[in-house]
Amino acid sequence: TQLLEQSPQFLSIQEGENLTVYCNSSSVFSSLQWYRQEPGEGPVLLVTVVTGGEVKKLKRLTFQFGDARKDSSLHITAAQPGDTGLYLCAGEDSNYQLIWGAGTKLIIKP
Amino acid sequence: DSGVTQTPKHLITATGQRVTLRCSPRSGDLSVYWYQQSLDQGLQFLIQYYNGEERAKGNILERFSAQQFPDLHSELNLSSLELGDSALYFCASSVGRDEQFFGPGTRLTVL
Repeated sequence: TQLLEQSPQFLSIQEGENLTVYCNSSSVFSSLQWYRQEPGEGPVLLVTVVTGGEVKKLKRLTFQFGDARKDSSLHITAAQPGDTGLYLCAGEDSNYQLIWGAGTKLIIKP
Repeated sequence: DSGVTQTPKHLITATGQRVTLRCSPRSGDLSVYWYQQSLDQGLQFLIQYYNGEERAKGNILERFSAQQFPDLHSELNLSSLELGDSALYFCASSVGRDEQFFGPGTRLTVL
């Protein structure tokens, strides 16, 4: 069974600080997606990374796919209260199914 | 607005009862996915349908069943409800292997 482990499970920091969230597996994924979910709403896709070593930037968010396509990270620079939410990673396996991580709950305090 | 609709938004029922959750995917999306999310936890994949056919099964209990109709809307049936079934149930749709678009969810409370 493929597993995606996210860390940390919970993170609470002050506005303006930087942070990194990790998504790790022992399995290879053909692609990996990052979603953000706000309270009371469904997850919304932030980015999809496909190529090993790929780096994508979305304003203050930087996403990286590991060279071996087994892990990924999300780095947020100068976090803002609007970044608060549950961050979920999901990897596409060889059967084209998404394997979901348990999520990182992020709280940015003003 | 993702374009995916789910009804009802809230549902309160008693143990042992049966409920039906409904989902209408985005126009043109053939795949529908159902997820369960318990309080402050990640998504648990339940089942996927593609153009009316079951495509993949996740951690779906035998008390739960789903179907996708010719107009592509889907229903998730939960029976013999237990307290532990209280959760948010999300439906998502996609064109194929691309991004999944999630509905607003149905919050089920079993008393």
